[in-house]
Amino acid sequence: AQTVTQSQPEMSVQEAETVTLSCTYDTSENNYYLFWYKQPPSRQMILVIRQEAYKQQNATENRFSVNFQKAAKSFSLKISDSQLGDTAMYFCAFMKHDAGNMLTFGGGTRLMVKP
Amino acid sequence: NAGVTQTPKFRILKIGQSMTLQCAQDMNHNYMYWYRQDPGMGLKLIYYSVGAGITDKGEVPNGYNVSRSTTEDFPLRLELAAPSQTSVYFCASSYAQGAKNIQYFGAGTRLSVL
Repeated sequence: AQTVTQSQPEMSVQEAETVTLSCTYDTSENNYYLFWYKQPPSRQMILVIRQEAYKQQNATENRFSVNFQKAAKSFSLKISDSQLGDTAMYFCAFMKHDAGNMLTFGGGTRLMVKP
Repeated sequence: NAGVTQTPKFRILKIGQSMTLQCAQDMNHNYMYWYRQDPGMGLKLIYYSVGAGITDKGEVPNGYNVSRSTTEDFPLRLELAAPSQTSVYFCASSYAQGAKNIQYFGAGTRLSVL
């Protein structure tokens, strides 16, 4: 079974600064996918960014980028130029290549962006 | 565009009561999922479906049942509610497999069993 660990229960950052959220995972699979989801106070989960394990290039989406270290089984999320609207819970998630699209989530990191 | 719609938003049940959480999507997605989120925790998969008439267990299926008679609807049934089922329930849907599997989530149903 896969496990996903987010070791930072809470973090805070000043508006316009950069913050990095950590995620590690444990798997014996070689083909898999990794995701970061955002859950704002409205509770609705929103996909932030995704990474295919076979791709060495780190994914980027505007102010969001990842540092994917496959050998270390690490998948951190960097948020640049933090905005007040980035305040939310962030969940790292893992999916095996042939798992019927089943996601395994980490416990989450609560991020507070301060003005 | 409604996306994934869950009803009700809130519900309080007494121990032993039953109820059905409704989920509907209007995106013609093949895949649908039910998750539960306990306080301070990540989501855990209860059941999922890869198409009408096909369902399968996830990580925590005990105490729940599902059916998928149409592409659009994926209701979750609690037969004998227990306090351990107090949680927030999320329904999600997706179109494709693998990295193109972007799961779209509903707004959740907060359930309390007292």
